[in-house]
Amino acid sequence: KAGVTQTPRYLIKTRGQQVTLSCSPISGHRSVSWYQQTPGQGLQFLFEYFSETQRNKGNFPGRFSGRQFSNSRSEMNVSTLELGDSALYLCASSLRGAGRTADTQYFGPGTRLTVL
Amino acid sequence: AQTVTQSQPEMSVQEAETVTLSCTYDTSESDYYLFWYKQPPSRQMILVIRQEAYKQQNATENRFSVNFQKAAKSFSLKISDSQLGDAAMYFCAYRSPQTGANNLFFGTGTRLTVIP
Repeated sequence: KAGVTQTPRYLIKTRGQQVTLSCSPISGHRSVSWYQQTPGQGLQFLFEYFSETQRNKGNFPGRFSGRQFSNSRSEMNVSTLELGDSALYLCASSLRGAGRTADTQYFGPGTRLTVL
Repeated sequence: AQTVTQSQPEMSVQEAETVTLSCTYDTSESDYYLFWYKQPPSRQMILVIRQEAYKQQNATENRFSVNFQKAAKSFSLKISDSQLGDAAMYFCAYRSPQTGANNLFFGTGTRLTVIP
């Protein structure tokens, strides 16, 4: 079974631009979560989508948004990029991710975003 | 909010020896899930082992085992017969059982070096 895929793997943007990152979950997985990883803040949760609905959201400004499609693929968008948005963005998928299940999140290889 | 603490930023171990990585967490929940993830230089997060809090038996996966002390809120990872391929960042993570709370809370990580 294919793993979680993310595109693109590397991205360079300038301040003020916007960017869209894509994530394809493992086949059959309906929950997709996004994380930001930086040297200073570590791994931080951005948001989670399940059945095309945002189910949970971390503490990030409204410039960060996402969506999920009917095939469970997800995209995240960052508008008006700032230098501090430079990070590794990781996507993770799980079967249901609902409540009292031991659902494991499987991660993709990440997208390295550099903002100049 | 739950917090996860990894007090060892760096650890090293001789090849074939055993090493233990520490993790403590803070929560008021009685049921939850704990994970250890490995992030090699390729940056892909890989699940190492997971533990359900309601299970008293410590989880084991081949050379990897945990020492789960619920009362002490401690969740250490033991790597036996260390191999060069074990060199990576190791992250401890916590997940709530609450519905709609599929996000992982990560520690700051421990960088493990394996010395040949």
